[in-house]
Amino acid sequence: QQQVKQSPQSLIVQKGGISIINCAYENTAFDYFPWYQQFPGKGPALLIAIRPDVSEKKEGRFTISFNKSAKQFSLHIMDSQPGDSATYFCAASQGRKGGGFKTIFGAGTRLFVKA
Amino acid sequence: GAGVSQSPRYKVAKRGQDVALRCDPISGHVSLFWYQQALGQGPEFLTYFQNEAQLDKSGLPSDRFFAERPEGSVSTLKIQRTQQEDSAVYLCASSYKAGSVLSDTQYFGPGTRLTVL
Repeated sequence: QQQVKQSPQSLIVQKGGISIINCAYENTAFDYFPWYQQFPGKGPALLIAIRPDVSEKKEGRFTISFNKSAKQFSLHIMDSQPGDSATYFCAASQGRKGGGFKTIFGAGTRLFVKA
Repeated sequence: GAGVSQSPRYKVAKRGQDVALRCDPISGHVSLFWYQQALGQGPEFLTYFQNEAQLDKSGLPSDRFFAERPEGSVSTLKIQRTQQEDSAVYLCASSYKAGSVLSDTQYFGPGTRLTVL
């Protein structure tokens, strides 16, 4: 129930193409769905995030699509660039009544954009 | 500081040694999290602090793991009698909010890569 399932495990995309990464969750109490980008040797960095009251959020080349009824959300990277080559993690967070929150991460997708 | 910092960046320990990993969160951030990231996997939650209070330690894998944040700022994750299965990257993250039922953005440090021989 606490899992976040992410696919695919790895992805190769041509420069200029669209990269699509999918995630699914079970716990309907999750209230925040961030995507993180991680480069080798670095910590994850927030890329874009969405709350369940909206179905889509776009920031530059990055778009989150959210389907509350299906309990699925996805990241679309438009016009993918070699610099986008990194590992991407979806995550889902649940707030605590006493303050703070808990975040569950997907297993990650290693994206390689071919020049 | 500008971001979350962690030290050391790399730590090699012999099996059975104790280690201490330090995290300096972003100034003013109330919430602090520790995660363990195995090679090729996503971060897994270890423990959570709100100021100096450890509100959740459900992710700590054994009683050999101990975390503290005595003054509500810097935090230390201590692992006693290290085992080979403890080898991983340990990530620290901080967040501004507390006292809210809604989740918030976490800012991660670069991590400490622990290798237990």
